[in-house]
Amino acid sequence: KAGVTQTPRYLIKTRGQQVTLSCSPISGHRSVSWYQQTPGQGLQFLFEYFSETQRNKGNFPGRFSGRQFSNSRSEMNVSTLELGDSALYLCASSLDRFEAFFGQGTRLTVV
Amino acid sequence: GIQVEQSPPDLILQEGANSTLRCNFSDSVNNLQWFHQNPWGQLINLFYIPSGTKQNGRLSATTVATERYSLLYISSSQTTDSGVYFCAVEGFNYGQNFVFGPGTRLSVLP
Repeated sequence: KAGVTQTPRYLIKTRGQQVTLSCSPISGHRSVSWYQQTPGQGLQFLFEYFSETQRNKGNFPGRFSGRQFSNSRSEMNVSTLELGDSALYLCASSLDRFEAFFGQGTRLTVV
Repeated sequence: GIQVEQSPPDLILQEGANSTLRCNFSDSVNNLQWFHQNPWGQLINLFYIPSGTKQNGRLSATTVATERYSLLYISSSQTTDSGVYFCAVEGFNYGQNFVFGPGTRLSVLP
């Protein structure tokens, strides 16, 4: 079966712009989580959606937001981009408190 | 929140050698997974192992939940094993998200 698909794979944006990243989970998975990976902070949890509801949120500013659609696909949005938002953004899907599977990630560069 | 430590932070091996990576966590967990991050950044699932022992080819893992640690064993290492290995845990009392350890960077030399 198809894995977790993230689009786009690479993105270059300018400070102050906004960006939307997409994640399509494995078919049947209703939980989608987002993580940010930077060299300095490692892998950090952003938020988790389950059945279109945000169920858990990490310690990130309000510029980071997300949503989940009825088909379980999820998007995350970052507004007013800062240089420090440059990172690898990873999405994970799971059935719910079981094994999680990650996508290939979106590498965002803010210039 | 839950704390996750991994050791060693860096490991350099000769091809064919064996290694043990350790993950310590500070509270009870309902999920523990080991991942290998490939050069393109994707996290590849190695083991879903909240408790017990599993083996997959040259790799095996053991989690002793009561003592709050997990071990990943790599035998007869190959250059393709190089990369960063992450342990990630979900705590019972900390919501639906992984807390990742800092990783172990493994370099296997030919």
